[in-house]
Amino acid sequence: QVQLQESGPGLVKPSETLSLTCTVSGGSINSYYWAWMRQPPGKGLEWIGFIYYSGSTNYNPSLKSRVTISLGTSENQFSLKLNSVTDADTAVYYCARLGYCGSNWCLPDYWGQGTLVTVSS
Amino acid sequence: EIVLTQSPSTLSLSPGEGATLSCRASQSVSSNYLAWFQRKPGQAPRLLIYDASSRATGIPDRFSGIGSGTDFTLTISRLEPEDFAVYYCHQYGGSPRTFGGGTKVEIK
Repeated sequence: QVQLQESGPGLVKPSETLSLTCTVSGGSINSYYWAWMRQPPGKGLEWIGFIYYSGSTNYNPSLKSRVTISLGTSENQFSLKLNSVTDADTAVYYCARLGYCGSNWCLPDYWGQGTLVTVSS
Repeated sequence: EIVLTQSPSTLSLSPGEGATLSCRASQSVSSNYLAWFQRKPGQAPRLLIYDASSRATGIPDRFSGIGSGTDFTLTISRLEPEDFAVYYCHQYGGSPRTFGGGTKVEIK
């Protein structure tokens, strides 16, 4: 059974960089796309972006200037960095595997439980 | 960006009743690339429907999706106790991908 677990600081100061890691267990990171999403308090889910196991990435244009998704230094990990954060970046952050695929799309099939990141001084 | 508006925000029903959930897009969803997810407290979202009307693997046939263009519907024919949850629509035909705000199906 594939499992994903987000980890990282729960509190980040305004203007600093939010850094999260997603650790994948029970399966390989190879041959899949891996995504980050977030949900601000009281709001809907927001797509942040995804990375292919080869390293190619795709980002939400509204966040593109501030976000980097990369493969982890450890095997079976990938990471999210979001710089110059503000209060609006306070959210529960989710990582997911895009493993349910059709002809030219893939949808999330496994998700982490989510981690709350609060931006506050 | 395609904005997805779900209605109603809350649906109060009894087990055994049918549920109809709506998802309206601000512009046409390419190739009807519209999915529905179910989320229960403390659990990860579960994919129910993809391509507007195809059930994902292992999803009971009481869940069905229909729609095209800008109007999509998820129907649960007879609510089981485990179906009370929040349901999200999600379009993956345009960039960025977007989600609706969710419909909570609660026990009446």
